[in-house]
Amino acid sequence: EAQVTQNPRYLITVTGKKLTVTCSQNMNHEYMSWYRQDPGLGLRQIYYSMNVEVTDKGDVPEGYKVSRKEKRNFPLILESPSPNQTSLYFCASSAKSYEQYFGPGTRLTVT
Amino acid sequence: AQSVTQPDIHITVSEGASLELRCNYSYGATPYLFWYVQSPGQGLQLLLKYFSGDTLVQGIKGFEAEFKRSQSSFNLRKPSVHWSDAAEYFCAVGRYSSASKIIFGSGTRLSIRP
Repeated sequence: EAQVTQNPRYLITVTGKKLTVTCSQNMNHEYMSWYRQDPGLGLRQIYYSMNVEVTDKGDVPEGYKVSRKEKRNFPLILESPSPNQTSLYFCASSAKSYEQYFGPGTRLTVT
Repeated sequence: AQSVTQPDIHITVSEGASLELRCNYSYGATPYLFWYVQSPGQGLQLLLKYFSGDTLVQGIKGFEAEFKRSQSSFNLRKPSVHWSDAAEYFCAVGRYSSASKIIFGSGTRLSIRP
């Protein structure tokens, strides 16, 4: 089954404790993105990747890091999380058709 | 710069009634346009997309959308809504040069009145 998986689905952490949210896709897609969803703001792109070792900033990259060492994986790293990064995070992948396939989301709470 | 506006934050319609969700975009060239649906607690699913050609596009679940260049709009319609259509709907715009650079609107939450 074609899918994008994210782990964990729910995470509660404290300010400053480094965390990683994993994202994996099994569709051999070149493009992958991370979004955060906040009430009233829709989805805002954090980072995107056009292929292995090729990443670029989206609209809200501050406080986040990404890497793309393998085509299927695109982890999101928060080196020092802060409460304003409490949000719902989505990973997505797409081929050149532009249709994005979304993961189920990760709800992160930073206290 | 690209932008997407969904002017309606929340809409309530009766089951069986028709639906139109509004979307306006700002983009210098012909955009790639999308509508996604997000059911409660779920990720986003593509309803339909417009790249070129016929300005009336059909999607899944009985939805359709019409691209109107003169009005910079891409409104989503359904002739008769079902209770299962209650969800949040997002309009999005992309550009030809980058399949990863998609801008989303702020969403419209649809409630269905029994």
